[in-house]
Amino acid sequence: AQSVTQLGSHVSVSEGALVLLRCNYSSSVPPYLFWYVQYPNQGLQLLLKYTSAATLVKGINGFEAEFKKSETSFHLTKPSAHMSDAAEYFCAVSVGGAGGTSYGKLTFGQGTILTVHP
Amino acid sequence: GAVVSQHPSRVICKSGTSVKIECRSLDFQATTMFWYRQFPKQSLMLMATSNEGSKATYEQGVEKDKFLINHASLTLSTLTVTSAHPEDSSFYICSARRQGIDTQYFGPGTRLTVL
Repeated sequence: AQSVTQLGSHVSVSEGALVLLRCNYSSSVPPYLFWYVQYPNQGLQLLLKYTSAATLVKGINGFEAEFKKSETSFHLTKPSAHMSDAAEYFCAVSVGGAGGTSYGKLTFGQGTILTVHP
Repeated sequence: GAVVSQHPSRVICKSGTSVKIECRSLDFQATTMFWYRQFPKQSLMLMATSNEGSKATYEQGVEKDKFLINHASLTLSTLTVTSAHPEDSSFYICSARRQGIDTQYFGPGTRLTVL
């Protein structure tokens, strides 16, 4: 079974400051990892994903995340926050590979609400 | 590409009625669709996995007779909340995945309010 822990339910930064959203995972098999963003009353939009290729993954809107197996982490960063980045961010893990009953099922973290101050 | 739509976006119904929510993949064929429920200020909880042409697989604790899922084609899955009650009020989100692709694309969600 897999699980995800997002450290910090709320993160507040100033516009132009570094954004760091933390995610740690637990998985018995090599994981696929995802970051999604959700704006109020909307579905989820994929920011980026790690699927066992490069450990540093670049996504949309200037976000990136680094897979660190030794730390079981997949933290999301952005060098300079914009007001439009204010949203809720979800880290998720799935079991990839050849299939099986768990194939493709996403387990989400609790979410982190990012607030950006002017 | 990879656009998923949901209809309706918002529905209000009386207790005891049934509500159908549609999830469509607009520009790709989705062999697998997933249905999630999200309560206010909470994360998404997977309800069921729907594979085209076969019965849905429900997560533990989800009543399959209450949440009927049909995945009749490669672009459409439906979730029917039968005999809805106020505690079923929630944000229901679907996602779709192409065969062999490990990414789920999410719909915009449906806000269900049961009075």
